[in-house]
Amino acid sequence: AQTVTQSQPEMSVQEAETVTLSCTYDTSENNYYLFWYKQPPSRQMILVIRQEAYKQQNATENRFSVNFQKAAKSFSLKISDSQLGDTAMYFCAFMKPGLGWLQGAQKLVFGQGTRLTINP
Amino acid sequence: EAQVTQNPRYLITVTGKKLTVTCSQNMNHEYMSWYRQDPGLGLRQIYYSMNVEVTDKGDVPEGYKVSRKEKRNFPLILESPSPNQTSLYFCASRETPQGAGETQYFGPGTRLLVL
Repeated sequence: AQTVTQSQPEMSVQEAETVTLSCTYDTSENNYYLFWYKQPPSRQMILVIRQEAYKQQNATENRFSVNFQKAAKSFSLKISDSQLGDTAMYFCAFMKPGLGWLQGAQKLVFGQGTRLTINP
Repeated sequence: EAQVTQNPRYLITVTGKKLTVTCSQNMNHEYMSWYRQDPGLGLRQIYYSMNVEVTDKGDVPEGYKVSRKEKRNFPLILESPSPNQTSLYFCASRETPQGAGETQYFGPGTRLLVL
């Protein structure tokens, strides 16, 4: 079974700084997807960024980028020029693609979460 | 607007009193699922459904039931709630069961407190 580990329960940085959140995962699959979700105080789950394992290029979305190290099974999230609105819980998640109906549904496997606080 | 709705958003109940949390999506998605979120544990899947009348257990199904009589609705039923079911619950949907690359849409969450 796949597992996802976020080793930093809490982090805190000053506004405008760059912060990196860590995530490691364990799988024997070669093809899969990795995600970072943001959960602000409203509790809504918001997709931040998605990475396909067979793509070597690291995904980026504006101030958010990932460092995907497939051999090390590491998937860290970098937030540049952090803003007060980035304060949230961040979850790393893993999903492998299904091969067909008989294999059943594929689920998101989440890490424990990292609570990030951006201080003014 | 594409969305997943859940009701109620907040619920306080007592041990043993049956309750239902509703979930509805307007995107004609085949796949729907329920997660619970607990501190230090992240989100864990309770049940999922691949289509109408097709449901199966996730990782933490004990104490829960689900049904999928219509494609858009996927209610979560707690027939005899206990305090260890106090949690934050999320319903989610995506287009297909195997669609790992598809966007998964989450509902706004239901905060449940069982006394």
